[in-house]
This record gives sequence, structure tokens and C-alpha cells, in this order.
Amino acid sequence: DIQMTQSPSSLSASVGDRVTITCRASQSISSYLNWYQQKPGKAPKLLIYAASSLQSGVPSRFSGSGSGTDFTLTISSLQPEDFATYYCQQSYSKSTFGPGTKVDIK
Amino acid sequence: QVQLQESGPGLVKPSETLSLTCTVSGGSISSYYWSWIRQPPGKGLEWIGYIYYSGSTNYNPSLKSRVTISVDTSKNQFSLKLSSVTAADTAVYYCARTQPKDYYYYMDVWGKGTTVTVSS
Repeated sequence: DIQMTQSPSSLSASVGDRVTITCRASQSISSYLNWYQQKPGKAPKLLIYAASSLQSGVPSRFSGSGSGTDFTLTISSLQPEDFATYYCQQSYSKSTFGPGTKVDIK
Repeated sequence: QVQLQESGPGLVKPSETLSLTCTVSGGSISSYYWSWIRQPPGKGLEWIGYIYYSGSTNYNPSLKSRVTISVDTSKNQFSLKLSSVTAADTAVYYCARTQPKDYYYYMDVWGKGTTVTVSS
């Protein structure tokens, strides 16, 4: 089974900050990596698929990069509506989610 | 646009079978994969499995012995059955459309989720 880790598990940031979240797979998953945003009491929302492709309707301040085992999600300028928990998910072999990164207000 | 709605009992007794249905509206169930994901209270997301509209399935190995996902194309619905439940199966259960674009599978449309509690 492929295990996913994320770092940090939580972070505090201010509006306007550049935020980077890292996701690591236990083995190479090529670019089979997706990112989701989840707000309390809501379903997850797809942000990035195939490691770096921006889902339609998602603001361009979100970007993804990486391949193999190491991936990053970057928010170029944090907005108030971006405070949420972010999950990575591999789809290379079955599927596994990372444990999540909570982004809250500094 | 496509919308998904989960339905089923909110309370299930230990050792019984949890049964949920996801109804797809605003689009056809054909040509996509359809997933179930769950989230225990205060915890992260866990993939349960998915089904192709043709009926082929893929399950989380940790749940495979207890999970059955089925599809009814005539009703535009797919379903989840999880047997021998315990308190550890208490969670919000989500259904989601899974895109197979260029073999990159990703969940682009989600239901709102339904809470299932396992308790006697």
C-alpha cells in the first residue's frame, strides 16, 4: 500500500502570505497526485489534479508541482477564504489520502 | 450541473450492515467512476472504493472484506454496503464522481455527505 505524508500538519499564516504545503508518497507515484481543500462541515473541493493541473474555476493563486515522491501545493497570496484543511491524494495504485494540513489565521 | 446526494440510515447497530445510496442528478452515471469516501469525526479522509458504470470495482484493501459497491444505471444511482460495522465505522460518508481523464483519477464532484453513527 502507498502511504502519504504531509507537512506541516498545521500552519498559521496571514492574509497575503505565500503558503507551501508538502506531500510525500512512500513510493513513486509519477504525477498521480491530487489536492483538495476542505472547510469545516463541508465536502472536500478539488483544487489540483495530475500534480499540477488547475481544476476549472479554481483561482490561479493555487498551484501544484512535483512528481515521483515529492509534491507541493502553493498558495501565492493567501486570501481569507483559503483558511481550511488541505489534503493530497494519490491515485497511482488504488487511492490514499494524506493526513491533511490545517491552515489557520495567524 | 451534476449533483450527488447521499441517502440512508443515520444510525446503524454494531455487527449490522451499513447501506447508503448516492443519487446522481443533472447528468448520466455512464462513462465515469463513482467513489465512496468517509471521514471519522475530527479525522482525515479515507477512500473506501469506487465502481465504474459498467460494474467493475476497486476497494481499499483495509476494508475489502466488508465492502460492496454496486451501481444501478437505470436509476442513476450507486450504493455502498459495509458489513459487520463497529463504532470505528462512525463517520461522515461522501460519494463523489471520479474522473478517469488520461488515467489520472480525481474526484471532481462531491455529495454533501451523510453522517452515520454506529451505536446500539
